[in-house]
Amino acid sequence: AIQLTQSPSSLSASVGDRVTITCRASQAISGALAWYQQTPGRVPKLLIYDASTLASGVPSRFSGSGSGTDFTLTIRSLQPEDFASYYCQHFNSYPYTFGQGTKVEIK
Amino acid sequence: QVQLVESGGGVVQPGRSLRLSCAASGFTFSSHGMHWVRQAPGEGLEWVAVIWNDGSHTSYSDSVRGRFTISRDNAKNTLYLQMNSLRGEDTAVYYCVREYSSIWFAFDYWGQGTLVTVSS
Repeated sequence: AIQLTQSPSSLSASVGDRVTITCRASQAISGALAWYQQTPGRVPKLLIYDASTLASGVPSRFSGSGSGTDFTLTIRSLQPEDFASYYCQHFNSYPYTFGQGTKVEIK
Repeated sequence: QVQLVESGGGVVQPGRSLRLSCAASGFTFSSHGMHWVRQAPGEGLEWVAVIWNDGSHTSYSDSVRGRFTISRDNAKNTLYLQMNSLRGEDTAVYYCVREYSSIWFAFDYWGQGTLVTVSS
């Protein structure tokens, strides 16, 4: 099974900061990667799919990049509602595993 | 609008069975692959199982293969997860999820989840 490793596992940032989260796959997955945001007590929300396509209704401060084994989620200017956990997930082959998550906390 | 409503969760003893249901509405159910994803308390997301839009193919995570069965009834717009031989580590919120197809795939709609607690 393909493993996804996110880094960092957690980070502290301030409103307005630029935040970058990485996701590394254990083998090449082309662009078959999505990113999700989950705030406490809420259902995960799709942010990015096909590695770099913004999902409908997602603010443009979110962006995704990468291909092969290395991927990045960037939040250009962190807003109060962005403090949450973020997960990557691959769609190269079953099982469609998730990364372990990155928790973005308020500094 | 798209709605996915899970039901069937609850407290169950180890070794027993439970069947989850997910009622879908607001879209053409028979056109989408469907998945179950779970999240143990305080933990991350774990993909559990998939069934293709026409029910012709299923796949499972190693942790549930042989114990869980995913199925669907396209006439009733309903997804199921039959869970047998339940263990403590199966305790989690179980989400019904719709698959979106683009160049690749994504999970674009999630149900609110149903909590399964396996405990004696």
